[in-house]
Amino acid sequence: ETGVTQTPRHLVMGMTNKKSLKCEQHLGHNAMYWYKQSAKKPLELMFVYSLEERVENNSVPSRFSPECPNSSHLFLHLHTLQPEDSALYLCASSQDLGGSFNEQYFGPGTRLTVT
Amino acid sequence: GQNIDQPTEMTATEGAIVQINCTYQTSGFNGLFWYQQHAGEAPTFLSYNVLDGLEEKGRFSSFLSRSKGYSYLLLKELQMKDSASYLCAVRDGDYKLSFGAGTTVTVRA
Repeated sequence: ETGVTQTPRHLVMGMTNKKSLKCEQHLGHNAMYWYKQSAKKPLELMFVYSLEERVENNSVPSRFSPECPNSSHLFLHLHTLQPEDSALYLCASSQDLGGSFNEQYFGPGTRLTVT
Repeated sequence: GQNIDQPTEMTATEGAIVQINCTYQTSGFNGLFWYQQHAGEAPTFLSYNVLDGLEEKGRFSSFLSRSKGYSYLLLKELQMKDSASYLCAVRDGDYKLSFGAGTTVTVRA
């Protein structure tokens, strides 16, 4: 059973729409992450937050805008996306950023299709 | 940049053993993770290696050689439910994981 939930699970949007993806973690973790997973490609790290502060913005286009209102919730706001942005968007959390182990726990993802 | 290589696909028979290799070239090394991902589901943690050697966890084992930039995940007594994608990921700093593209394992009856 995952302690990280994501909504919606599936989303179809047009290129002019604005939508948001939501992630919630129930594990008491301090760090949260957004990843993009395209077919047959490695997971790409997009954003990292630690204690609600953004610590990583991995050259992601400005049409993706993250928000972390508290350590349990993470949003990804989407606007004027392109068809190549269609992918599985995964949220993850970890206890902290550093440490010797610090496993990341993943949510089930939002399957996004941009038409 | 980071380079993590693993085979795209592997097929094996129920009850058999499969070894998934992962080679990496990264700017730093602070641990290697293996995740399992069933279609349409979240990746789930399988194993973690930071020192050379073998880590065993039930039917799954993972091996690391830092000098060779090499790891493998060994799945023993394969079951149908082991059909999934297996992701190799290297942590090169405090938290950043670089992932391979994943190996899809198909278990046949």
